[in-house]
Amino acid sequence: DAKTTQPTSMDCAEGRAANLPCNHSTISGNEYVYWYRQIHSQGPQYIIHGLKNNETNEMASLIITEDRKSSTLILPHATLRDTAVYYCIVRGLYGQNFVFGPGTRLSVLP
Amino acid sequence: DVKVTQSSRYLVKRTGEKVFLECVQDMDHENMFWYRQDPGLGLRLIYFSYDVKMKEKGDIPEGYSVSREKKERFSLILESASTNQTSMYLCASSLSWDREETQYFGPGTRLLVL
Repeated sequence: DAKTTQPTSMDCAEGRAANLPCNHSTISGNEYVYWYRQIHSQGPQYIIHGLKNNETNEMASLIITEDRKSSTLILPHATLRDTAVYYCIVRGLYGQNFVFGPGTRLSVLP
Repeated sequence: DVKVTQSSRYLVKRTGEKVFLECVQDMDHENMFWYRQDPGLGLRLIYFSYDVKMKEKGDIPEGYSVSREKKERFSLILESASTNQTSMYLCASSLSWDREETQYFGPGTRLLVL
């Protein structure tokens, strides 16, 4: 599976958009980009995933660059409850498990 | 919504005890997984199962076994608990082996072995 690189931590003001970047320069053509988050002492929560096109759901938007070497998760209007560790994961072909790196610790500030 | 539940949120056991961690999913998923999560090490896969009575070792199976007698239930067993098995244990499930299939996680069980 391709490795990902994320900033260790980020801050965001409540009500503003949170933009979380992820680099995955070695991604291959059939690998998907997934985003999960983990609020303290809880299990990881699925947010969104995509292959090539940008994706949007009720939680977030995922922007994948044309060369697929990086992506950005956007939380359009961050709230205090969005404070969590966000994981960007690239999943290989017929992968049985998800490899979670250290992620980005997002702090939403009042 | 998919729901994955785990039998306990917190558990304290003594060294040498046999420990059972239970996981139940309510969405008729084929696949179920057990991970442990430790600071600085991320999530590591212990075992997974792709069908009833089927199991496969993950990256760190030593000291653990699993049981899947019914599709909705996947149990993790620590035959003789040791202090290095103190960890957060996470169960997950997914619908099938399709490569884009999302895994859904339970709330976790924080196990302390004294």
